[in-house]
Amino acid sequence: GENVEQHPSTLSVQEGDSAVIKCTYSDSASNYFPWYKQELGKRPQLIIDIRSNVGEKKDQRIAVTLNKTAKHFSLHITETQPEDSAVYFCAASMEWSSASKIIFGSGTRLSIRP
Amino acid sequence: DTEVTQTPKHLVMGMTNKKSLKCEQHMGHRAMYWYKQKAKKPPELMFVYSYEKLSINESVPSRFSPECPNSSLLNLHLHALQPEDSALYLCASSQDRYSPLHFGNGTRLTVT
Repeated sequence: GENVEQHPSTLSVQEGDSAVIKCTYSDSASNYFPWYKQELGKRPQLIIDIRSNVGEKKDQRIAVTLNKTAKHFSLHITETQPEDSAVYFCAASMEWSSASKIIFGSGTRLSIRP
Repeated sequence: DTEVTQTPKHLVMGMTNKKSLKCEQHMGHRAMYWYKQKAKKPPELMFVYSYEKLSINESVPSRFSPECPNSSLLNLHLHALQPEDSALYLCASSQDRYSPLHFGNGTRLTVT
C-alpha cells in the first residue's frame, strides 16, 4: 500500500522567513497530493493541492512542487506569519473505484517565532 | 462554518456500551470517509463509502461498524471498544475521486 514520509517533524522559523516541508511517497499510482493545515483542537483544512500532471502550483504565499520521477513533493510558505503556526500534513491519493484513498504523512509542527 | 456536521462533539463510553457517531453533509458529495486521529498523529483512514457502498475497509476491527443510510449521512456504530480506541474520529466527504476532502470537526471519543 501507499506510504507517505514527511520531514521535518518540527520546524521553527523566524517570522517573515520561509518554511519548507518535504514529503515522499511510495506508490507510483498516486496522482493527487493535497496539503492540510490543522490548528490545535481543530479539523484539518485543505490549503493547497497538486495533481500529477502539474509540476508546481502557487497560491499567494503558499506553493507546492511535485517531482513524479523522484516521488517527492514539497510545501513552501514564504513571508511566514504567526497565524501560520500549526501542524501541516502532506497526503497522497490514488483513485479507488469512484473514491480516493488518501494517506497522510506523519505531520510537521510549524512554529513561527516573532 | 463547517459543511460537514458531526455529532456528538464529545462522547465518553464504557467498554460494554453501544454508541453511534453521526456525520451529515449537504454538499452533494458522493464519497464519505471515516478517519481516526490519535493525539499528535496524522488522520488514519478507516472506511470509505462511494455512492453509498462500502468501497474501502482498512482492516478495521469489527467492533467498528460503518453505515451509510443515504448519500448525505454516514454513521459509525461502536460496540465493545477498548481504551486504546480513544481518539478523535473525523468524518470527511469529497465530490469525487479527484476532489479534496472536507472534514467535519470530529467526535472526541473516550473509552473508559
